[in-house]
Amino acid sequence: DAGITQSPRYKITETGRQVTLMCHQTWSHSYMFWYRQDLGHGLRLIYYSAAADITDKGEVPDGYVVSRSKTENFPLTLESATRSQTSVYFCASSERGYEQYFGPGTRLTVT
Amino acid sequence: RKEVEQDPGPFNVPEGATVAFNCTYSNSASQSFFWYRQDCRKEPKLLMSVYSSGNEDGRFTAQLNRASQYISLLIRDSKLSDSATYLCVVNDTGGNNRLAFGKGNQVVVIP
Repeated sequence: DAGITQSPRYKITETGRQVTLMCHQTWSHSYMFWYRQDLGHGLRLIYYSAAADITDKGEVPDGYVVSRSKTENFPLTLESATRSQTSVYFCASSERGYEQYFGPGTRLTVT
Repeated sequence: RKEVEQDPGPFNVPEGATVAFNCTYSNSASQSFFWYRQDCRKEPKLLMSVYSSGNEDGRFTAQLNRASQYISLLIRDSKLSDSATYLCVVNDTGGNNRLAFGKGNQVVVIP
């Protein structure tokens, strides 16, 4: 299916575990982004990528790692999950202009 | 100072009424402006871009005031289906297609 997808949609994990959230887009957009959304904070940028093999930190990168070996995929890894990383994670992509298209989100709970 | 500021509300609006809200942005160099809509537990979706001359899309009107650095959204003849959070979005002048998101105006349309 065309568009941007995220998996898993829901995840419960324990403190200290490594977790990887997947993001896949079929538009061949150059730019991809990872956000987290928490009550009282709105959307905050974690990492972004301007092209394959080019990534950069956003506003809240600590505790996260990204990679982008292929244009269509942009996985986000929590190296050692903490309770403060309980959140809703959105992946987005864009090409011309600034309009971003969001995936459906992953709800992550760290216990 | 936050890059994009919005009054979160909620804005309780009788069905059929008009509701309007503003957001302010801090960076005078910003060039691209948007309103996104986010339904409860869903991803943000682009509602409309905001142009310097103002623009209208059906019952929705967006205005930009560069001198005072604010953007407005007006919804006429509110429908129950308009209940959502409306995110004010401005391009991040740091480049790489990044966007800065406000926390949103929550609109509740009451029958």
